[in-house]
Amino acid sequence: LAKTTQPISMDSYEGQEVNITCSHNNIATNDYITWYQQFPSQGPRFIIQGYKTKVTNEVASLFIPADRKSSTLSLPRVSLSDTAVYYCLVGGDSGTYKYIFGTGTRLKVLA
Amino acid sequence: GAVVSQHPSRVICKSGTSVKIECRSLDFQATTMFWYRQFPKQSLMLMATSNEGSKATYEQGVEKDKFLINHASLTLSTLTVTSAHPEDSSFYICSARGGRDRSGNTIYFGEGSWLTVV
Repeated sequence: LAKTTQPISMDSYEGQEVNITCSHNNIATNDYITWYQQFPSQGPRFIIQGYKTKVTNEVASLFIPADRKSSTLSLPRVSLSDTAVYYCLVGGDSGTYKYIFGTGTRLKVLA
Repeated sequence: GAVVSQHPSRVICKSGTSVKIECRSLDFQATTMFWYRQFPKQSLMLMATSNEGSKATYEQGVEKDKFLINHASLTLSTLTVTSAHPEDSSFYICSARGGRDRSGNTIYFGEGSWLTVV
């Protein structure tokens, strides 16, 4: 099982770019990296997913180095509504695979 | 993105009774569903993994006779908390992974269900 490690918390100001890094040293060949956002009393919401290099969508970018042992979620110009907990999850398409959550990163955006 | 729906979103039950939480994948067939439990300000803890048509696989420390999981179809899984006690009060979240008609690399989460046992 690929264990993930993230900073427990981060603070940022509105309008800044936020980068959250996740370590997953024992990621397997067929594992993908997915990031989720969770607000209090809600289920995690899909943000972005990648396998290698860089992926970008309308809300975030995901940077994955060649060795895939880490990944960085980049949130451009955060706003107060981006205050949430962010989780990286590593998993593959094996039918027996279990998705284990790490601590997540509690991001607080300040005005 | 894919839609996973949970019901009820909140439930209060008396100690000793049983309560059922439903998890449905609305626009894809979920070959695998996962059930998580989350306490305030903590991360999600995996309780069990269920594949359609087979028995659920429970994580260590999770009582299978207390938390009954049924995954009878490709779009529905249920979690039944039997003989509930106040310590079972928690936020329960299901997730589903797509199968033949959707990428199997992504899991999508339901909205969560708050259980309060009084």
